[in-house]
Amino acid sequence: DAKTTQPNSMESNEEEPVHLPCNHSTISGTDYIHWYRQLPSQGPEYVIHGLTSNVNNRMASLAIAEDRKSSTLILHRATLRDAAVYYCILRDGGSNYKLTFGKGTLLTVNP
Amino acid sequence: SAVISQKPSRDICQRGTSLTIQCQVDSQVTMMFWYRQQPGQSLTLIATANQGSEATYESGFVIDKFPISRPNLTFSTLTVSNMSPEDSSIYLCSVALAGGGRMGQETQYFGPGTRLLVL
Repeated sequence: DAKTTQPNSMESNEEEPVHLPCNHSTISGTDYIHWYRQLPSQGPEYVIHGLTSNVNNRMASLAIAEDRKSSTLILHRATLRDAAVYYCILRDGGSNYKLTFGKGTLLTVNP
Repeated sequence: SAVISQKPSRDICQRGTSLTIQCQVDSQVTMMFWYRQQPGQSLTLIATANQGSEATYESGFVIDKFPISRPNLTFSTLTVSNMSPEDSSIYLCSVALAGGGRMGQETQYFGPGTRLLVL
């Protein structure tokens, strides 16, 4: 899987939007962009994924740059429960389901 | 979606002993994985647990140290053998469910993890 770069940490206030960036300049045409998060003392959970177009679900939105070399996970209204480590992962459409986790971004949400 | 349970949830073990971790899924799945998360670190894939055949290990992990069983499509075990304090980690199993019919879109679901402390 191709490499991603994320800030080590970010901070937000409760009920404000959060934009979590991810750079993936070596992304290939078949790589899907996946986001997972890991809440304290839990296993990771799926957040969202996309290929080229922006995506929305009940948890978040994913904005993908036109050249696909970067993406942004958007939490529209952060809650205390959103405090977690967020991982941006590239999944090769031709590989065998493996996920390669980087260091991720530790999001702190202030009340 | 998939619901995954792991046993034990945590354990404290003496060096030189072995611990077997169980992973149970609420539905039949093809792809099942075992990860390790060392203190303060990200997740590292140990192996892919294959049903009916030997597990596929990642670089740096060997079968003698981490034997894996996969007797059916809902269950797997990971054994941490001849433990040392360096094996103190969280061990997680996960499963991949296909999405949209195209490779790359599948979602992985993770168990809650087994917290292992080796003294």
